[in-house]
Amino acid sequence: GAGVSQTPSNKVTEKGKYVELRCDPISGHTALYWYRQSLGQGPEFLIYFQGTGAADDSGLPNDRFFAVRPEGSVSTLKIQRTERGDSAVYLCASSAASGGPNNEQFFGPGTRLTVL
Amino acid sequence: DAKTTQPTSMDCAEGRAANLPCNHSTISGNEYVYWYRQIHSQGPQYIIHGLKNNETNEMASLIITEDRKSSTLILPHATLRDTAVYYCIVRPQGAQKLVFGQGTRLTINP
Repeated sequence: GAGVSQTPSNKVTEKGKYVELRCDPISGHTALYWYRQSLGQGPEFLIYFQGTGAADDSGLPNDRFFAVRPEGSVSTLKIQRTERGDSAVYLCASSAASGGPNNEQFFGPGTRLTVL
Repeated sequence: DAKTTQPTSMDCAEGRAANLPCNHSTISGNEYVYWYRQIHSQGPQYIIHGLKNNETNEMASLIITEDRKSSTLILPHATLRDTAVYYCIVRPQGAQKLVFGQGTRLTINP
């Protein structure tokens, strides 16, 4: 079946602009995660959704970052007033259920964001 | 979350077993050990996880020491496609987020 998909695969924007990054999780997966990966680093957690609600947004770096999942499937990560330091690969993952040690997270290929 | 320590890089010959170590000396009783890998330009991929018993699946084996302070991921017959960054992660039961460190960059050489 289809895995996690993310669009666009690449996004180039100018400092100060607004961007939206989309994630389509695996069908039926109730949990959805966003991570950010800077060059040479491991992925860094941003936010986790269980269904439509953000259950943990402790990783969002500041209030310029916001994410939604209105119908409990597709999620959009929104970044306002982008800064050059926001340049990174934004990864989305989904899992079948929350809790329990066996809820493997399936990652998408990521969106590479470049802020000029 | 317990911190993990992994070597920055390792090399292994194609066809040989690759043994990737991980230290997690501050692990708590309810924390699981997970391994993910990330092939260049792809998202991370789950490999295996365990609590205290050794585990094996179609991808790898996980050996956890009796005191649970360290573990080893074993790829029994490494191929060129196993070249990737391997992340050892310790996560409490019930926790959702994965906390990635720097990982080990494993290079499989022909």
